[in-house]
Amino acid sequence: QQPVQSPQAVILREGEDAVINCSSSKALYSVHWYRQKHGEAPVFLMILLKGGEQKGHEKISASFNEKKQQSSLYLTASQLSYSGTYFCGTPGRSGGTSYGKLTFGQGTILTVHP
Amino acid sequence: GAVVSQHPSWVICKSGTSVKIECRSLDFQATTMFWYRQFPKQSLMLMATSNEGSKATYEQGVEKDKFLINHASLTLSTLTVTSAHPEDSSFYICSAKRASHSNQPQHFGDGTRLSIL
Repeated sequence: QQPVQSPQAVILREGEDAVINCSSSKALYSVHWYRQKHGEAPVFLMILLKGGEQKGHEKISASFNEKKQQSSLYLTASQLSYSGTYFCGTPGRSGGTSYGKLTFGQGTILTVHP
Repeated sequence: GAVVSQHPSWVICKSGTSVKIECRSLDFQATTMFWYRQFPKQSLMLMATSNEGSKATYEQGVEKDKFLINHASLTLSTLTVTSAHPEDSSFYICSAKRASHSNQPQHFGDGTRLSIL
């Protein structure tokens, strides 16, 4: 089942902050975050493995609330290069024979203006 | 880093033609590769999971005979769109993982834009 991302789109000016949420109706074992620029392949940002885990990548960080079955991506002091579509991906289940396949959310379009 | 190469990047061909797309992991061995399809402004839709030396696992609704997948080695998987028609036009992207465990990230190729006339 596809995770739900919100908001669908965000427009920022350089230096502003944004939060992108990813929610699932089923138990989450991990959450993967990717960014895709127009016409390009998605680029891996980070994986959160444990409930409550927080990670950072430059000025982009994320948290994972296992109990609430959701993850949030925080973009601080946004830069023009942050523009793109952000996807969260969730695995089918922990281990097993799912081969680590992911179901991606519908995406959040982030546009950063000068 | 983990580099995945996808070839070709753009294909335009006539209806009825079969098209082969290659996905290579250049600096690591990929036990598992994935094939996605993406329509404009939409999410990545998984088509199939490819494991070296075994048959691919297709997602529900994906025609196995239409989209042939071969994972001949730990660094190469191919997707062949057989007898392609205009409705098969899309952006096809592959990804590769170092291990089959879900805790490993997927590394994506640059995608193949397929246009069937």
